[in-house]
Amino acid sequence: DAGVTQSPTHLIKTRGQQVTLRCSPISGHKSVSWYQQVLGQGPQFIFQYYEKEERGRGNFPDRFSARQFPNYSSELNVNALLLGDSALYLCASSLEPWDIPLNTEAFFGQGTRLTVV
Amino acid sequence: AQTVTQSQPEMSVQEAETVTLSCTYDTSESDYYLFWYKQPPSRQMILVIRQEAYKQQNATENRFSVNFQKAAKSFSLKISDSQLGDAAMYFCAYRSAYPLNTGTASKLTFGTGTRLQVTL
Repeated sequence: DAGVTQSPTHLIKTRGQQVTLRCSPISGHKSVSWYQQVLGQGPQFIFQYYEKEERGRGNFPDRFSARQFPNYSSELNVNALLLGDSALYLCASSLEPWDIPLNTEAFFGQGTRLTVV
Repeated sequence: AQTVTQSQPEMSVQEAETVTLSCTYDTSESDYYLFWYKQPPSRQMILVIRQEAYKQQNATENRFSVNFQKAAKSFSLKISDSQLGDAAMYFCAYRSAYPLNTGTASKLTFGTGTRLQVTL
């Protein structure tokens, strides 16, 4: 079975541009979460989606948005890119969201390395 | 809000020796989960071990074990018989068991990581 796949693996954008990152969860997983990992830091939570609905949002500006499709894949969009948006963007999938008391493991993709110049 | 602190930016261990990575956390919740993730140069986060806060017994997975001290809010990872393949960034992470009940986001909160080097 394929794991969590993210595309593209690397991306270079200019300040002010917009970017779309894509994530395909493990087959059967209905929940997708996005994290931003700045160099030298731990991942920071951006969004969680389950069954196409937003189930959680981290402390990120409105320039960040996401959506989940009927096949449970997800896109993360970032508008008006800033230099500080340069980071590794990680996607994680799980069977169910974590706002119910089930100990479900999250599986991470290899991330998209975004560089803003 | 929950916070996770890893005070060791880098650690080094000789092959076949034992090393302990430290993690402390702060929370007002009584039910939660704690995790150790490994991130090799391939960038993919891999779950190493997890601990449920309601369990007093420390979790063990082969060469990996934890020392969970709930009152002290401490969660250290011990790697025994270290191997070259253990070299990576290690992240400690926290997750609320009932985020809807406590009004917290359904998310993992990570520490800043510890880079583990394994030498011959």
